[in-house]
Amino acid sequence: RKEVEQDPGPFNVPEGATVAFNCTYSNSASQSFFWYRQDCRKEPKLLMSVYSSGNEDGRFTAQLNRASQYISLLIRDSKLSDSATYLCVVNSWDSNYQLIWGAGTKLIIKP
Amino acid sequence: DTGVSQDPRHKITKRGQNVTFRCDPISEHNRLYWYRQTLGQGPEFLTYFQNEAQLEKSRLLSDRFSAERPKGSFSTLEIQRTEQGDSAMYLCASSLGSRDSGNTIYFGEGSWLTVV
Repeated sequence: RKEVEQDPGPFNVPEGATVAFNCTYSNSASQSFFWYRQDCRKEPKLLMSVYSSGNEDGRFTAQLNRASQYISLLIRDSKLSDSATYLCVVNSWDSNYQLIWGAGTKLIIKP
Repeated sequence: DTGVSQDPRHKITKRGQNVTFRCDPISEHNRLYWYRQTLGQGPEFLTYFQNEAQLEKSRLLSDRFSAERPKGSFSTLEIQRTEQGDSAMYLCASSLGSRDSGNTIYFGEGSWLTVV
């Protein structure tokens, strides 16, 4: 079992729709969680950190469920520019700050 | 631009040749990471430095790969006797490496390697 798992997609979603991704992690000692966005042939860029209480940034909402060991990303009112791959990243102090990456979920927003 | 910079951005080399990539991290960041990414996969950890000390190296990293960060600033990643399987994007990243920062890391634009 991979340490961080994501549905690879692609998710084909019409513009304006709401889309949600889940990501599961296996290390219960994980303490920091992030969502990164990666455009084709570009480097990953931090989208948002994920806090225990959940957090929102504009159209994006991230949530953490420690009991079930998953994090989620919700995108409301999706835009064409949201098309990208979304990478889930997990970090635990017992891994000495090493970030464990999911393989990413590809999102395609269609007009 | 004060972000992470990598050079060269693209490299095509013949199998068996050596290649070297350079990374200049964000200036106040003490941690520097190298990752490798192939199509359809997330970044794969290679190694990381705290200042000039190489603290961790992936078991997946063969002895053909070596990284240095001699003065705790820029870093180089060298691949000797390249193989076609080395073709990938090599990403450098840096972070403050503190608990308070949650270890958010920032990536360079990557160096694409094609081994022919």
